[in-house]
Amino acid sequence: GAVVSQHPSRVICKSGTSVKIECRSLDFQATTMFWYRQFPKQSLMLMATSNEGSKATYEQGVEKDKFLINHASLTLSTLTVTSAHPEDSSFYICSAVRDGNSPLHFGNGTRLTVT
Amino acid sequence: QKEVEQNSGPLSVPEGAIASLNCTYSDRGSQSFFWYRQYSGKSPELIMSIYSNGDKEDGRFTAQLNKASQYVSLLIRDSQPSDSATYLCAVNDEGDKIIFGKGTRLHILP
Repeated sequence: GAVVSQHPSRVICKSGTSVKIECRSLDFQATTMFWYRQFPKQSLMLMATSNEGSKATYEQGVEKDKFLINHASLTLSTLTVTSAHPEDSSFYICSAVRDGNSPLHFGNGTRLTVT
Repeated sequence: QKEVEQNSGPLSVPEGAIASLNCTYSDRGSQSFFWYRQYSGKSPELIMSIYSNGDKEDGRFTAQLNKASQYVSLLIRDSQPSDSATYLCAVNDEGDKIIFGKGTRLHILP
């Protein structure tokens, strides 16, 4: 159990366009979902924490107007990278947690390349 | 600032030997501890969860927790080349947030 599905796995887009990434918990209801970004050979960087029905909490330095997070239900969260630029090219990974003492379960990640 | 510390490595271990990965954490109130494995270019996958002091074994993996010393470790017995990856230690901070260490790169030498 505890499967998290993330789509798309890979996307290439032109500079200035927007990209939506979807994250679903398939077999459990997630109280909280997290969005991470990881640059090559670097550590996971938490971008934001999202709870169903409420506004996401963004980490310091992450622009909330650029990275729009919608947590529509207990099984679905989306991240939209608006007006993407080449410096936004990265590996974006979502994760979901069932409750406070449970582990995070990660999606397979989305590799975004902005040309 | 709550922290989870790991040696970045690389830790090189001969095939068949025991790999020992260590982690310390700063939040004395933490109750849940996790080890993840991340292959290059992939997302992390959960290997072990541990919640109480002592050892927990799962196949070739053993997690060890010592809350008094704020220390958690992962032992990998009979190391295989496929175990070469980055291992992430993660600790909850009494809320919904789980804090990750920066990871230890493990290299199993054939």
